[in-house]
Amino acid sequence: ETGVTQTPRHLVMGMTNKKSLKCEQHLGHNAMYWYKQSAKKPLELMFVYSLEERVENNSVPSRFSPECPNSSHLFLHLHTLQPEDSALYLCASSQDRGGGADTQYFGPGTRLTVL
Amino acid sequence: GQNIDQPTEMTATEGAIVQINCTYQTSGFNGLFWYQQHAGEAPTFLSYNVLDGLEEKGRFSSFLSRSKGYSYLLLKELQMKDSASYLCAVMDSNYQLIWGAGTKLIIKP
Repeated sequence: ETGVTQTPRHLVMGMTNKKSLKCEQHLGHNAMYWYKQSAKKPLELMFVYSLEERVENNSVPSRFSPECPNSSHLFLHLHTLQPEDSALYLCASSQDRGGGADTQYFGPGTRLTVL
Repeated sequence: GQNIDQPTEMTATEGAIVQINCTYQTSGFNGLFWYQQHAGEAPTFLSYNVLDGLEEKGRFSSFLSRSKGYSYLLLKELQMKDSASYLCAVMDSNYQLIWGAGTKLIIKP
């Protein structure tokens, strides 16, 4: 039990669909992250939120749109995705952003397949 | 550019010891993390090193040499449940985690 939950766990969508991924953390943390994990590649940081404000956007295509309504919830809205966007999408949280020892805690991920 | 290197895959025998190496080249250094990730599950935190030396935590130990840009994760008395991917990550000068691609560890009976 990591304290970070993600739904759905699996998602199959067509390139014209619109869907959203949800993340919730129960750890009282102030920072939340979206990562993309593709097979045999390093985790790619997509977005970072600190106290509900976006602090980093690592040149992610606009077909991915994050939303952070409060410090416990994070969404990733998806539209007109491409097959190469198929991957495991991981959400993480940490106490704050900027501390060297600030450990990130991960959710189980959403396995996304784009047809 | 920033780079983290670790072996793609390693195989070891139940009850034995295995060392997983990680070398890094990053813009600044604010600590090195090791995570374990079982297939289809979340990465879970194992260790954090910011000073040179060995940190021991039960069957797992992690070593850091900042001058060499090198770390290793040592797993002792291997159990079948240790079969997983092990991810090395370095926090750079911007406090962003730079990740390796992970080492898949296969444990054989």
